Amino acid sequence: GNSVTQMEGPVTLSEEAFLTINCTYTATGYPSLFWYVQYPGEGLQLLLKATKADDKGSNKGFEATYRKETTSFHLEKGSVQVSDSAVYFCALSDTAGNQFYFGTGTSLTVIP
Amino acid sequence: GAVVSQHPSWVICKSGTSVKIECRSLDFQATTMFWYRQFPKQSLMLMATSNEGSKATYEQGVEKDKFLINHASLTLSTLTVTSAHPEDSSFYICSAREPGRRNTEAFFGQGTRLTVV
Repeated sequence: GNSVTQMEGPVTLSEEAFLTINCTYTATGYPSLFWYVQYPGEGLQLLLKATKADDKGSNKGFEATYRKETTSFHLEKGSVQVSDSAVYFCALSDTAGNQFYFGTGTSLTVIP
Repeated sequence: GAVVSQHPSWVICKSGTSVKIECRSLDFQATTMFWYRQFPKQSLMLMATSNEGSKATYEQGVEKDKFLINHASLTLSTLTVTSAHPEDSSFYICSAREPGRRNTEAFFGQGTRLTVV
């Protein structure tokens, strides 16, 4: 079946530190992969996505590359800011596009 | 991009009463919408898949009679928490996706914070 495994949190970093949040997946066929961000008290917002192997999604300084050989989609940012403090969810959409599967979420706190 | 609007953003109700939460897709027709529940500092738990014109598909462990879902039109799905109890207090989120487009993201409502007192 389809599933997403995400790095356990919480993660606390100093401002301008490098961020990596690991995400691996299990899926049949050719899923699309997503990273969502949730700020306190809000719904989820799409951060970036990749729809096929070797695609790189990027937005607001965040990047993630769809690695089929390692079934991974790790989120990275070179220099985090306090405003990046949020919960990050890795997700996949199955080949049929009918269902989303979410990781458990990783809470990130960036301190000045 | 497509927008999903959820209402209300927060609600407080007395134990034993029912609460209705609306989820609307504002600029696309959603044949399918999803309802999630999120406990504090935890991930999203899919409760049910709402299908326009037919019965909702509930996930295992979710009480159908407790969480009534109605997908009245291609742009509106509602979740009614019936006879609410304090343990139903949670953050409920809906999402929708443009049909037939596998590579598009799911769009999420802003969530509803339900507090049952």
